[in-house]
Amino acid sequence: GAGVSQSPSNKVTEKGKDVELRCDPISGHTALYWYRQRLGQGLEFLIYFQGNSAPDKSGLPSDRFSAERTGESVSTLTIQRTQQEDSAVYLCASSLTGGVHEKLFFGSGTQLSVL
Amino acid sequence: GQNIDQPTEMTATEGAIVQINCTYQTSGFNGLFWYQQHAGEAPTFLSYNVLDGLEEKGRFSSFLSRSKGYSYLLLKELQMKDSASYLCAVRDTGTASKLTFGTGTRLQVTL
Repeated sequence: GAGVSQSPSNKVTEKGKDVELRCDPISGHTALYWYRQRLGQGLEFLIYFQGNSAPDKSGLPSDRFSAERTGESVSTLTIQRTQQEDSAVYLCASSLTGGVHEKLFFGSGTQLSVL
Repeated sequence: GQNIDQPTEMTATEGAIVQINCTYQTSGFNGLFWYQQHAGEAPTFLSYNVLDGLEEKGRFSSFLSRSKGYSYLLLKELQMKDSASYLCAVRDTGTASKLTFGTGTRLQVTL
């Protein structure tokens, strides 16, 4: 597609429920990143995919968080047993090859609210 | 690990020039990026520096000093639409797969 697409744009859920957030990167981009942005805070790295593999999962905050990528395209971030502290904007980004000089292209994010 | 510091908020007048500073500490340096983020929108790329010096791009310029662990973003001829958060991000050699972001500087442009 023309840009990075994320869905849903907004998600309201109850504490304890599971949620799935979807990211469609720019077509042909092999590198995909998930970030979290709490209100008024900077971007917090969660996970990096190169193709369908995740060589860097160091930012996932707990085992309630998991992510996968299929077909070197769409990625899903899953949060199990959501907590109020999970409320944030979840941003996905992609870049062509993951090269160190490449800029990241971001989606508009999913605003997650856990009640 | 990395430590990236930026001022939290700045205010400037339309038509003026503003400089947003960013200092960083890394175990190895592999480039510094500046992004602009309007409220409720995706961050968008502004500039990239990997060598010392000034990179100019229209009204926006970015400077890097690797020896000082310092960068700034210079915005000239400020316009109201420049009101946004400006995010400084660094890649280091140890974790080259990701960008580490500072907390961002929220710029308010006033009349």
